[in-house]
Amino acid sequence: AQSVTQPDIHITVSEGASLELRCNYSYGATPYLFWYVQSPGQGLQLLLKYFSGDTLVQGIKGFEAEFKRSQSSFNLRKPSVHWSDAAEYFCAVGAPASSASKIIFGSGTRLSIRP
Amino acid sequence: DTEVTQTPKHLVMGMTNKKSLKCEQHMGHRAMYWYKQKAKKPPELMFVYSYEKLSINESVPSRFSPECPNSSLLNLHLHALQPEDSALYLCASSHGQFANTGELFFGEGSRLTVL
Repeated sequence: AQSVTQPDIHITVSEGASLELRCNYSYGATPYLFWYVQSPGQGLQLLLKYFSGDTLVQGIKGFEAEFKRSQSSFNLRKPSVHWSDAAEYFCAVGAPASSASKIIFGSGTRLSIRP
Repeated sequence: DTEVTQTPKHLVMGMTNKKSLKCEQHMGHRAMYWYKQKAKKPPELMFVYSYEKLSINESVPSRFSPECPNSSLLNLHLHALQPEDSALYLCASSHGQFANTGELFFGEGSRLTVL
């Protein structure tokens, strides 16, 4: 069964600084990988997804993520954060060969922005 | 129209009440989901409907009863809930039959408080 770990519970960065949120997965093959964002009191929105091919994935709102098979990681990056990026970020993993409609979410990383 | 609409946004109910949460999407998606999210936790899958048939029940207590009247509507009937059932209930839909193959579109959620 697949699993996903987000080591950082809470990160604070200054506005305009770069950002990297960590995500590690466990799965026997290449999984489907996702990053979702949840603003306070809102539902989740997909930022980007990786299924196969180019390991650097571009998403919405200026985010990108890189799949590194050797490190079982799918870290999310943004070169310059804005105050509106303050939110909860969830990495998620799905099993391509599974018939179950399940995506496993990580525990989340809360991002705060320092003015 | 890329929205998933959930009503009500807030619900307070007693342990003997019967209430329902409603979810609607008009994107032609054929899979719909109920998730439960406790504070500072990731969403937890409860039910999946695929082509209007219940395909996954994650061993949810019978006091939660899902219903999918048609491909655009999803209900969650609540009866004899416990205070620990207080949470944000999120509805989601996906174009593909399986969440693994695409994007989950989430509603803003219904915040439930059980007294």
